[in-house]
Amino acid sequence: AQKVTQAQTEISVVEKEDVTLDCVYETRDTTYYLFWYKQPPSGELVFLIRRNSFDEQNEISGRYSWNFQKSTSSFNFTITASQVVDSAVYFCALSEAILTGGGNKLTFGTGTQLKVEL
Amino acid sequence: DAGVTQSPTHLIKTRGQQVTLRCSPKSGHDTVSWYQQALGQGPQFIFQYYEEEERQRGNFPDRFSGHQFPNYSSELNVNALLLGDSALYLCASCRGRETQYFGPGTRLLVL
Repeated sequence: AQKVTQAQTEISVVEKEDVTLDCVYETRDTTYYLFWYKQPPSGELVFLIRRNSFDEQNEISGRYSWNFQKSTSSFNFTITASQVVDSAVYFCALSEAILTGGGNKLTFGTGTQLKVEL
Repeated sequence: DAGVTQSPTHLIKTRGQQVTLRCSPKSGHDTVSWYQQALGQGPQFIFQYYEEEERQRGNFPDRFSGHQFPNYSSELNVNALLLGDSALYLCASCRGRETQYFGPGTRLLVL
């Protein structure tokens, strides 16, 4: 069975600080996808990134960066120079890569509430 | 390009009633998934529809059923509502098995 653990329930930082959100996953599949979604107070989940299990290259997009380490089953997300607009709940998710038949359901962690204050 | 839309935005029902939630996928998407998100929790997968068939189902009772129409839109039906069904119901769409994009959700309150 697949499982995603986000041990940090809530993180508070002051604007311009860097913050890292942790994600640890469990799966028996050799091929899978990892995701991060952002959920602002409005409720809609906003897609941030998708990584294939075969691609361990770290990725940077503006102030966002992701560190994927297969050896420790972790997919951590760092926000550099945080801003108040970054305040939201962030979810890490996992799906198996089905080549034929079957669906691609997402298994989510419990989320990390990030509060960025002035 | 319209994203995923859901209706209604909010709904109040009483125990034992039935409810239908609706979802229109993002343009170009043919697969619709439904998730239930209880307060303070991550979304839980209910089921996924592709080509008007239920392709995958999560651990939810038969009270939860769905349908996908030829235009790829979808409905989620919940019968015999329980207090515990109060949650945010999220619809997500994708093309095939690509990245899922979510709608704004329907907040259901069961009294």
